[in-house]
This record gives sequence, C-alpha cells and structure tokens, in this order.
Amino acid sequence: QVQLQESGPGLVKPSQTLSLTCTVSGGSISSGGYYWSWIRQHPGEGLEWIGYIFYTGSTFYNPSLKSRVTISVDTSENQFSLKLTSVTAADTAVYYCARASGYIYTNFDFWGQGTLVTVSS
Amino acid sequence: QSALTQPASVSGSPGQSITISCTGTSSDVGSYNLVSWYQQHPGKAPKILIYEVNKGPSGISNRFSGSKSGNTASLTISGLQAEDEADYYCCSYAGSSTLVFGGGTKLTVL
Repeated sequence: QVQLQESGPGLVKPSQTLSLTCTVSGGSISSGGYYWSWIRQHPGEGLEWIGYIFYTGSTFYNPSLKSRVTISVDTSENQFSLKLTSVTAADTAVYYCARASGYIYTNFDFWGQGTLVTVSS
Repeated sequence: QSALTQPASVSGSPGQSITISCTGTSSDVGSYNLVSWYQQHPGKAPKILIYEVNKGPSGISNRFSGSKSGNTASLTISGLQAEDEADYYCCSYAGSSTLVFGGGTKLTVL
C-alpha cells in the first residue's frame, strides 16, 4: 500500500518561499507509471491542483500558479518537493501530496494526510 | 482555467438517492471522458470514488456511480447512509496536461 507524507514548515512569512516535501513509502517513485502531485485547499474552500512531476523530472503546472511554482523529485530519497515563491496570505492552505494514476494521469488514488501552511508575519 | 461548478450543498434522507452535478466547459468536461470524483470527510484527505466518468476503483461501494452529458458530469449516490455525509469534489482533465477541480458540494444526510 502506497503511503505519502508531507513535511515542512507550518508557518511562512509573506514574500518568502514555501517549501514542502512529500515522502513516498510502499512503492518507488522511479518505477514509473504515475505522476506525483501537489494539491492545496484553502481554509473552508475547495481543492486546487498545483502541479505534478514524473520521476524523470517532467513537470506540469496550474497556469495560474506556474510563475511561482517549482516541483522537483529526488528518486534516491523517494521524495518529491514543492517550492512556491513570493507567498502571501492567499497561499495559506492545507497542502496535500497525491499520486496521479490512470489515463493521462488524471486520477488521484493515494493522498497524504495534508499539512497546514500559514502565511503570516 | 476556471473551477468547475458544483452546487454548494445537497441533502437527502437515508435510503434515498441524490445526484451532484459538476458543470464545466467544452475545454474540460465536455471534451474528455476524464472526470473523477472525491469524497472528503472533515479533517481528512480526499478519497477517490469514481474515475474516467463512471469507473469505480476496487473497494468502493457500487452505491456510487458517475455519468456525463455534454459539459456536465454527475455523481449519484444511491441508498444514502449516514456515513455518506461529507464534501464531494469533481475533477476534470482540462487539456495541455492540466487538471481542474470543482468548488465542492456539502452533502447532508437528514
């Protein structure tokens, strides 16, 4: 059973960079067949797809966040990471990592528990 | 890329059936049979219920079913149970390797 676990600071100052890591267990990112995703949920609101990465490093991003987002992968550690630059209070959210599977990788079949990141001075 | 439109809330009594709609455009829902549905209980991560419009992952009750007509996808829950009370989200492929979620629907079991 694949498991994902997010980690990183729960508090980030405005204008700084939000950095999170997702550690995958129960399966190897390098095995291929999946994209590894970041999704966020603003407090009391819906889900927002941020982007995802293949083990080769191929990435795709939400156009609305693309200028500020970088997703990277470390296959040796079986981890992938999110960096979001120039954060504001509007980036306060629960951030989830998830595995995307299926045709064109459109099914999020395994999720981390989520981690709340608050942007505040 | 705008969020898909879902009703904010729906409700039903135990044993009844309810349907949640998810309306997109010809650029997302209308163009691809790649709509998935997720259930989220408070404080928990979402769980996939339906993928590719109407396919159910193993282990998911067949009380959950999906369909699509034009730019609108739908999730139907039959034989409502108390534990179905949760938030439900649709998600669609939107072309160019991007995905878009719906705003979510809160289901209340009366």
